[in-house]
Amino acid sequence: GAVVSQHPSWVICKSGTSVKIECRSLDFQATTMFWYRQFPKQSLMLMATSNEGSKATYEQGVEKDKFLINHASLTLSTLTVTSAHPEDSSFYICSAATPGQGLVGYTFGSGTRLTVV
Amino acid sequence: QKEVEQDPGPLSVPEGAIVSLNCTYSNSAFQYFMWYRQYSRKGPELLMYTYSSGNKEDGRFTAQVDKSSKYISLFIRDSQPSDSATYLCAMKRLGGSEKLVFGKGTKLTVNP
Repeated sequence: GAVVSQHPSWVICKSGTSVKIECRSLDFQATTMFWYRQFPKQSLMLMATSNEGSKATYEQGVEKDKFLINHASLTLSTLTVTSAHPEDSSFYICSAATPGQGLVGYTFGSGTRLTVV
Repeated sequence: QKEVEQDPGPLSVPEGAIVSLNCTYSNSAFQYFMWYRQYSRKGPELLMYTYSSGNKEDGRFTAQVDKSSKYISLFIRDSQPSDSATYLCAMKRLGGSEKLVFGKGTKLTVNP
């Protein structure tokens, strides 16, 4: 089946530094990638939707200059958390719209646990 | 009021029990209803989905949607320890670009 590979699975960084998270679709082309954030005991919250070759669409309240999304190819999308702060510590998950599965096909990455110290 | 409400639990049951997981929602425009299973430190995986109202069965799992009550359920029969995970409901409106709206997830533990 379709697989989305997400790296790193966990990262610890110092406050003020930037962190890049990668999601790669294996064996299929992901024209649309979704980025979510999940705080403990909370819902997956959509941060932004990215389409290959165009600018990402950010959800209300998500700072586009802080969470930079690049979807330069059909198999790779990246999320960069710039000038990270402890409140950015969370579980970040990407999801790709999976071809051939109609309107409900979304394949999720395994997530990245970010801790900012 | 949140768009999707789900009791986070935790829910602990003995092996073999029937498990009932539920979500309520407020947006009547939702047409697709999904259940995801998420193991610790992993991304969610799709278990089942239903379009509009009705029931759907897949092995030990049954999904039900009652649009008149804005209430969806997932039943797990003959629950197994391997079913221990967090179960998230998710919904979306009609349209390929519509986003998924998730519940908080219910943490289930099936004890051997």
